[in-house]
Amino acid sequence: NAGVMQNPRHLVRRRGQEARLRCSPMKGHSHVYWYRQLPEEGLKFMVYLQKENIIDESGMPKERFSAEFPKEGPSILRIQQVVRGDSAAYFCASRNRDTGELFFGEGSRLTVL
Amino acid sequence: GENVEQHPSTLSVQEGDSAVIKCTYSDSASNYFPWYKQELGKRPQLIIDIRSNVGEKKDQRIAVTLNKTAKHFSLHITETQPEDSAVYFCASMNRDDKIIFGKGTRLHILP
Repeated sequence: NAGVMQNPRHLVRRRGQEARLRCSPMKGHSHVYWYRQLPEEGLKFMVYLQKENIIDESGMPKERFSAEFPKEGPSILRIQQVVRGDSAAYFCASRNRDTGELFFGEGSRLTVL
Repeated sequence: GENVEQHPSTLSVQEGDSAVIKCTYSDSASNYFPWYKQELGKRPQLIIDIRSNVGEKKDQRIAVTLNKTAKHFSLHITETQPEDSAVYFCASMNRDDKIIFGKGTRLHILP
């Protein structure tokens, strides 16, 4: 059973470009969470989705950031017109509905030049 | 909104001694409290969790206690070893399954 898969692992973008981060949850998991982690800091909640539905996006900046989890395919976190402050590790996790445990992916490390 | 406070931010203990990390949460409807360990450059991984209908849970050298009245829960690591050095995060899940993390505790085990 493959774990949570995130890609790309590393992404470099110039200011103003778009970043797309993808996350495939564990098999059988239908709930996906995205967190942002700055160096030496905690895991900041961004958004919580299930297939075709955003459940809670209270942690997502209102502008430039969007997330989706289509019926088919991975969840995608999209950052438009990136700025240097967007540089961070973005972790995706999927949740076992029975136990509540979150399983994290390896993270996508975005660097904005 | 919901909030999870975690203390201390850094903790150094001698190898073999115990370490205690404390968290408080704001949403009284929270019902699930996991603890995650993150080693440098790696993903966070679950080490222990507790539900709101239980006051204490133990797994070998690791234990977690929950005080629902005070909205407070703690991680206890006994007989610490060098491999326990990492960042530890507490979290709480509310009734809508939103999971919020504390800011983390960097634990150093001193030789």
